[in-house]
Amino acid sequence: DGGITQSPKYLFRKEGQNVTLSCEQNLNHDAMYWYRQDPGQGLRLIYYSQIVNDFQKGDIAEGYSVSREKKESFPLTVTSAQKNPTAFYLCASSMAGTHGRGYTFGSGTRLTVV
Amino acid sequence: KNEVEQSPQNLTAQEGEFITINCSYSVGISALHWLQQHPGGGIVSLFMLSSGKKKHGRLIATINIQEKHSSLHITASHPRDSAVYICAVNKVYSGGSNYKLTFGKGTLLTVNP
Repeated sequence: DGGITQSPKYLFRKEGQNVTLSCEQNLNHDAMYWYRQDPGQGLRLIYYSQIVNDFQKGDIAEGYSVSREKKESFPLTVTSAQKNPTAFYLCASSMAGTHGRGYTFGSGTRLTVV
Repeated sequence: KNEVEQSPQNLTAQEGEFITINCSYSVGISALHWLQQHPGGGIVSLFMLSSGKKKHGRLIATINIQEKHSSLHITASHPRDSAVYICAVNKVYSGGSNYKLTFGKGTLLTVNP
């Protein structure tokens, strides 16, 4: 079955360390997104990519980096520059186009800084 | 003020009740989405609307473009409907793609047996 796989589901990181969250899709979707969710807030866009080897900053990109070397993969690195990294991170994908049809979300990664 | 507002924030119902969750937005949109998030965190897309009404099983979603308002209805609610329901929109703006989503904060629905 097609879908999005995020790993790991839970991740613990020490302060000052970089950590990479994995996101893989087999839906042949062009666009991929990373969102952050904090309690009491709506999801906020970190980075998005419409095509391989290209990506754009979202609303809260500071302290994060991404790559899009393959259509299927869009890993997110949470760097030590991110001041408050503890959050729930969701990856999503969609067909590119004017209406973003066919959004699919992953099951998320809960990152805790200890 | 958030561009996408949902009400109520929390909703508790008894099994079998008819439920309505509301979403208002203040921007031009090309589409509106209703999403469901279960306690484990994963999100499922329920509906995408650009006009009118859609129905899937016990779920009904409507949108009024002129009033910038959408509602999600659940008929004959069941405890398994307990989840966070999230409204999101594709904003329309000049010079850029509009398939990014802008989200409401969600409505936590609890259906008691």
